[in-house]
Amino acid sequence: DTEVTQTPKHLVMGMTNKKSLKCEQHMGHRAMYWYKQKAKKPPELMFVYSYEKLSINESVPSRFSPECPNSSLLNLHLHALQPEDSALYLCASSQRDSSYEQYFGPGTRLTVT
Amino acid sequence: GESVGLHLPTLSVQEGDNSIINCAYSNSASDYFIWYKQESGKGPQFIIDIRSNMDKRQGQRVTVLLNKTVKHLSLQIAATQPGDSAVYFCAENMDNQGGKLIFGQGTELSVKP
Repeated sequence: DTEVTQTPKHLVMGMTNKKSLKCEQHMGHRAMYWYKQKAKKPPELMFVYSYEKLSINESVPSRFSPECPNSSLLNLHLHALQPEDSALYLCASSQRDSSYEQYFGPGTRLTVT
Repeated sequence: GESVGLHLPTLSVQEGDNSIINCAYSNSASDYFIWYKQESGKGPQFIIDIRSNMDKRQGQRVTVLLNKTVKHLSLQIAATQPGDSAVYFCAENMDNQGGKLIFGQGTELSVKP
């Protein structure tokens, strides 16, 4: 199984809502990542988890809260988002958090109204 | 009106021709480089990678060239097919940066039948 899955595929939420994005991989990878991608732009790293511990936070606002319950799962909790947070949120995983190939999921298309 | 920065560089080629996509990377200390293909509505898909101790690597129909002197990376696609139409991103990584991939701006490849 070389797949990273993400749910939901699409999400529309209001600025006062609380929602969560989910990501799962069963490749035994020990590093997992959240990226944000705006239209016509490259992915931008948000968070890195290595062995279930947060190792990189790219100065992401606290309205985004990551969680890694176990080595296969990665969540991104959303609260009080702004319309400019609308984007494609991509999850990725790799064997370890160094120079290894990152496998990407299909993303969750988030719209904040 | 038109907004600055919303348009990706584009490359249009005839089916069957060879394509060359270029990328300038930013950090001379980067030691790992990857090319990703992103089709509409999907996450980035790994194509080929190369480490800084190499200057060329070949895959199936693809070749990556690395010129560290001028910090330049290129992706050559042989006999381009309509299924190759996508946005192509280069990305760089340093072993001591904990999995932090820095993506280039991307190039949109359009293959004419």
